[in-house]
Amino acid sequence: GEDVEQSLFLSVREGDSSVINCTYTDSSSTYLYWYKQEPGAGLQLLTYIFSNMDMKQDQRLTVLLNKKDKHLSLRIADTQTGDSAIYFCAESGGGFKTIFGAGTRLFVKA
Amino acid sequence: DVKVTQSSRYLVKRTGEKVFLECVQDMDHENMFWYRQDPGLGLRLIYFSYDVKMKEKGDIPEGYSVSREKKERFSLILESASTNQTSMYLCASSTGTTSYEQYFGPGTRLTVT
Repeated sequence: GEDVEQSLFLSVREGDSSVINCTYTDSSSTYLYWYKQEPGAGLQLLTYIFSNMDMKQDQRLTVLLNKKDKHLSLRIADTQTGDSAIYFCAESGGGFKTIFGAGTRLFVKA
Repeated sequence: DVKVTQSSRYLVKRTGEKVFLECVQDMDHENMFWYRQDPGLGLRLIYFSYDVKMKEKGDIPEGYSVSREKKERFSLILESASTNQTSMYLCASSTGTTSYEQYFGPGTRLTVT
């Protein structure tokens, strides 16, 4: 079945860039997402990319998609302590179901 | 501001009890979802509903049932709670025929003792 894999932890220093990586298996994915979960809260959509795009930039966030390798990454520039959270990669084929990765816990050291 | 609310943030129940988790959304969304979140496993879909009184099994429906009598409300029922159902339960909703963006509630942390 479909699967989304991502590393579980990432630690960076404040001010550095963070890069969170994700791989997925479903070649029919239409939408690829990054959700953010802050402590004690539900998930919130951070950004998304359509499968026919290579890159999307939104302020400090850059999403890169390598469709051939089924690899998605999220780069956060100038990482701040407020960026500490769990980041979930997810994909959907345009139907009802969204497949989520296990989440990457980002630690930002001051 | 869009909102998905869940009836409890924390819940402690005993093994064998019947447990109801309630979720309400105020966005007139057609689709609603129940996930459980466990460390290292991410979110796993339990059930979803694409219309009132309609429901579909997700990836891990065993031990759970759902009810959607009104569009805004989606209930998750644990018929006989077991310790392996101790988890964080997240409700979400979305609109349209795709799961384009899901809006999540804050979650219910359920402990079964």
